[in-house]
Amino acid sequence: EPEVTQTPSHQVTQMGQEVILRCVPISNHLYFYWYRQILGQKVEFLVSFYNNEISEKSEIFDDQFSVERPDGSNFTLKIRSTKLEDSAMYFCASRGQAYEQYFGPGTRLTVT
Amino acid sequence: EDQVTQSPEALRLQEGESSSLNCSYTVSGLRGLFWYRQDPGKGPEFLFTLYSAGEEKEKERLKATLTKKESFLHITAPKPEDSATYLCAVQRNYGQNFVFGPGTRLSVLP
Repeated sequence: EPEVTQTPSHQVTQMGQEVILRCVPISNHLYFYWYRQILGQKVEFLVSFYNNEISEKSEIFDDQFSVERPDGSNFTLKIRSTKLEDSAMYFCASRGQAYEQYFGPGTRLTVT
Repeated sequence: EDQVTQSPEALRLQEGESSSLNCSYTVSGLRGLFWYRQDPGKGPEFLFTLYSAGEEKEKERLKATLTKKESFLHITAPKPEDSATYLCAVQRNYGQNFVFGPGTRLSVLP
């Protein structure tokens, strides 16, 4: 069964450093998403991406964040200058034919 | 603003003890309501989509129902492996993002 994959599973970085989180969505899906979940809190939407551009973004997704589909399979989230409050689980998702979203296993980002 | 609440926050059941989880929502034009299961440290796992009031979906011991204001996830004769956090999310018409509720943490004791 096809699934969304994410790498790395855990990333530790120092405040102010840039990080890139990687995702491989399900191959025939066209809409991709990033969400985050701070420990013990709700899953929060960050951004959606379709046809090589951002289709929707939340207030959280400020200028420090960017997304890219550098090739036919990968989808990345870049945080330019990490802050302590960026520590969270980051989930990538891709959308199926009936609007359901399939989530990857997540990347745990720890900013020290 | 779209909002989703879930109750109870946590629920402990004995194996075989059926119960229901509630998801109440406010959304301007519902495209769909989605139920997910999330195990600790893992990504949400898709369970069901409901589109309109009166709709029901079933999968093994789980049954989801939808009204105009809320959805219920009924768990019949649960087993310990059903222990997880159950999340509901809504998507509005013409929108892309999901708005998630805080989840119900279910523990099923043997």
